[in-house]
Amino acid sequence: AQSVTQLGSHVSVSEGALVLLRCNYSSSVPPYLFWYVQYPNQGLQLLLKYTSAATLVKGINGFEAEFKKSETSFHLTKPSAHMSDAAEYFCAVSDRRSGNQFYFGTGTSLTVIP
Amino acid sequence: SAVISQKPSRDICQRGTSLTIQCQVDSQVTMMFWYRQQPGQSLTLIATANQGSEATYESGFVIDKFPISRPNLTFSTLTVSNMSPEDSSIYLCSVEPLGDTQYFGPGTRLTVL
Repeated sequence: AQSVTQLGSHVSVSEGALVLLRCNYSSSVPPYLFWYVQYPNQGLQLLLKYTSAATLVKGINGFEAEFKKSETSFHLTKPSAHMSDAAEYFCAVSDRRSGNQFYFGTGTSLTVIP
Repeated sequence: SAVISQKPSRDICQRGTSLTIQCQVDSQVTMMFWYRQQPGQSLTLIATANQGSEATYESGFVIDKFPISRPNLTFSTLTVSNMSPEDSSIYLCSVEPLGDTQYFGPGTRLTVL
């Protein structure tokens, strides 16, 4: 079975500071991993995904994530936070089968302080 | 990727009534999914809807409460029946066009009074 744990339901950073959102997963098979962002009153937008290519994955808006199998982690980072990054971020895992259920974490709300 | 639209974008409904939510995709996809996002919470899968077959419901969700139609490869509907305030949520549809990634619609924000 797959599951996702996002440590920290709320994260606050200053504008220009490093953003680090944590995601740990549990999977019985090599997983696919995803980060989605949800801006207020909007749906989910794919930020980036890991599907067994390079372990360091670059996404949109300057975000990147590194798949670390030994740590079962897929943390999301951005070197310099921008006010427009304030949103809810969801980590998700699937077990690679087409049409398989995605398991979502509980989400992390990112606040950027000017 | 895929461009997904949902109607309505939001609605306020009375207890005991039903609401049908539409999901339209700009390309043909086999797999479509319906999720519920309760206030302040993560996403929970309601059901998987494949064209030409009955929807598959997750534990805790039943067809009588959430009937789903999937008449073709670009369209699906989810009905929330006999609504109560506990059904107040965001309902999202998603598709999986490439076999590994799900893309989401903008969601339908439902408030039940």
